[in-house]
Amino acid sequence: AQTVTQSQPEMSVQEAETVTLSCTYDTSESDYYLFWYKQPPSRQMILVIRQEAYKQQNATENRFSVNFQKAAKSFSLKISDSQLGDAAMYFCACDDKIIFGKGTRLHILP
Amino acid sequence: EAGVAQSPRYKIIEKRQSVAFWCNPISGHATLYWYQQILGQGPKLLIQFQNNGVVDDSQLPKDRFSAERLKGVDSTLKIQPAKLEDSAVYLCASSPLRDKNIQYFGAGTRLSVL
Repeated sequence: AQTVTQSQPEMSVQEAETVTLSCTYDTSESDYYLFWYKQPPSRQMILVIRQEAYKQQNATENRFSVNFQKAAKSFSLKISDSQLGDAAMYFCACDDKIIFGKGTRLHILP
Repeated sequence: EAGVAQSPRYKIIEKRQSVAFWCNPISGHATLYWYQQILGQGPKLLIQFQNNGVVDDSQLPKDRFSAERLKGVDSTLKIQPAKLEDSAVYLCASSPLRDKNIQYFGAGTRLSVL
């Protein structure tokens, strides 16, 4: 069965530091997309970054980057220069059956 | 460009009552999704439409949940009768055909079943 696992329910990082959120997944598909979504408190979920499985190059969007290890089925999110506005729930997702993980709550410490 | 609109924002009902949620996707988006997000969990896909056809409803509890998108634009999700375990946020999202992997989410409807 398709699964997405986020093993860190909560994480904290000092403002301006770097933090990495972990995600592992399982799929039988060879071509698929992986996503990180951000859900701020009481606000809408927005896409942070996405990765096509057949692309070996890791995706980057400004301060956000991923470490995609296809063989290990691992898809971690790195946030550099953390800002107070990065505080949110972060969800990892796979578009094979559109499965979301349980999320990681990220706290930014001023 | 207007975002995905959902109403109502909040709804409180008693168990065994009926409730309906409405979603208006971004103009021109062919694909529409309904998710259930229980507190402390990630969203779970209930149903996916492309235009007015159902692509995937494998996780929709069809004995009590129904959804329609009659004209391929806005959509309604109904629960009848509601159970306590239906308390959740119901999210609607849409995506364009040209890039169906990017979903744009609405603010959601928070349902409390008492």
